[in-house]
Amino acid sequence: GAVVSQHPSWVICKSGTSVKIECRSLDFQATTMFWYRQFPKQSLMLMATSNEGSKATYEQGVEKDKFLINHASLTLSTLTVTSAHPEDSSFYICSAHLSGRGETQYFGPGTRLLVL
Amino acid sequence: GDSVTQMEGPVTLSEEAFLTINCTYTATGYPSLFWYVQYPGEGLQLLLKATKADDKGSNKGFEATYRKETTSFHLEKGSVQVSDSAVYFCALTGWAGGTSYGKLTFGQGTILTVHP
Repeated sequence: GAVVSQHPSWVICKSGTSVKIECRSLDFQATTMFWYRQFPKQSLMLMATSNEGSKATYEQGVEKDKFLINHASLTLSTLTVTSAHPEDSSFYICSAHLSGRGETQYFGPGTRLLVL
Repeated sequence: GDSVTQMEGPVTLSEEAFLTINCTYTATGYPSLFWYVQYPGEGLQLLLKATKADDKGSNKGFEATYRKETTSFHLEKGSVQVSDSAVYFCALTGWAGGTSYGKLTFGQGTILTVHP
């Protein structure tokens, strides 16, 4: 149990386009989902926290108008990178948190974004 | 704020060697502590966790004990295998007012390479 999927697993796009990444909890309902960004050989940086049906809470320094997060249901959250630029190229990872499971977060496999 | 400090890597060991990866933390209240593992090209997987002082988390031969007096959660394994080669992240979730808010704070990660 506790499987989280992400789609797509990798994407290449042109500069200026927008890219949507989906994060789904497959066998449980996630009260909260998190979005992280990971640079090569570095740790995960939390970008934002989203709760179903409410606005996402962004970490300091993360542009909310650039990284749009929608958490439409208890099993789906989406991250849209708007007007992507080469510096947005990174590995984006989501996680889902279910209260009562000992504060454990379950991570998706990640989405590698390359902006040309 | 909360923080996690891991020993700097990379760590290179021969198969069957003993492994220790140090982790210390700073947090208010009573955090839950985690070790996550990231295999090459994959997302993070929960390796083990401990939710209160003196708890020992264990999985796949790895162990870590929640030491509140030294604010540490060191990861150990008695005999490593080549398949243990990965990046290991120590992390914590904090508590506020008796409620876990689920936000993970990660250490910087330690790269482990095990040679045959």
